[in-house]
Amino acid sequence: QLQLQESGPGLVKSSETLSLTCTVSGGSISSSSYYWGWIRQPPGKGLEWIGSIYYSGSTYYSPSLKSRVTISVDTSKNQFSLKLSSVTAADTAVYYCARHTGQAFDYWGQGTLVTVSS
Amino acid sequence: QTVVTQEPSFSVSPGGTVTLTCGLSSGSVSTSYYPSWYQQTPGRAPRTLIYSTSTRSSGVPDRFSGSILGNKAALTITGAQADDESDFYCVLYMGSGIWVFGGGTKLTVL
Repeated sequence: QLQLQESGPGLVKSSETLSLTCTVSGGSISSSSYYWGWIRQPPGKGLEWIGSIYYSGSTYYSPSLKSRVTISVDTSKNQFSLKLSSVTAADTAVYYCARHTGQAFDYWGQGTLVTVSS
Repeated sequence: QTVVTQEPSFSVSPGGTVTLTCGLSSGSVSTSYYPSWYQQTPGRAPRTLIYSTSTRSSGVPDRFSGSILGNKAALTITGAQADDESDFYCVLYMGSGIWVFGGGTKLTVL
């Protein structure tokens, strides 16, 4: 059974860079046909797709976040990572990592809350 | 920027049928957007219900169904149960690797 687990600091200071890692177990991140994405959910609000990466390294970012987002993959560790720069309080959210195909997000991590403090 | 629209809230009686929709601020939703639907309860990660418009994810009961109705994607729940009370999200593929979630619908069963 594929499992995804987010990890990283739960508290980030305003203007700094948020960094999270998603560790994939029970399957290879190098599998073709799959993309690996990040989605976030501010407290009490809806889901927002941040961006995705293919195992080959091709990346796709939300236009609204593109200038601040970097997603990378480490196939040797079966991990992919998110960096979001110049964070503000508006970036406070539960961050989920997920696997998706060209059709749907099918496996999700449990999510991790990141709070941006001033 | 294209906005994906959903009803903010909906109410259904136990045993009843409800249809939630997923539209676009400009244009019509078609199967080419690969609409998918997710159910989320508080404090939990989303659960995949439907993908590619109408394909049920593994383990999802057949009382959940997806379709295109007019110019929107639709999720229909027949025989609503108390534990269906949750938030439902759709997501559309916009092309060029871009995905956009709808704002979600809070479903109340009462």
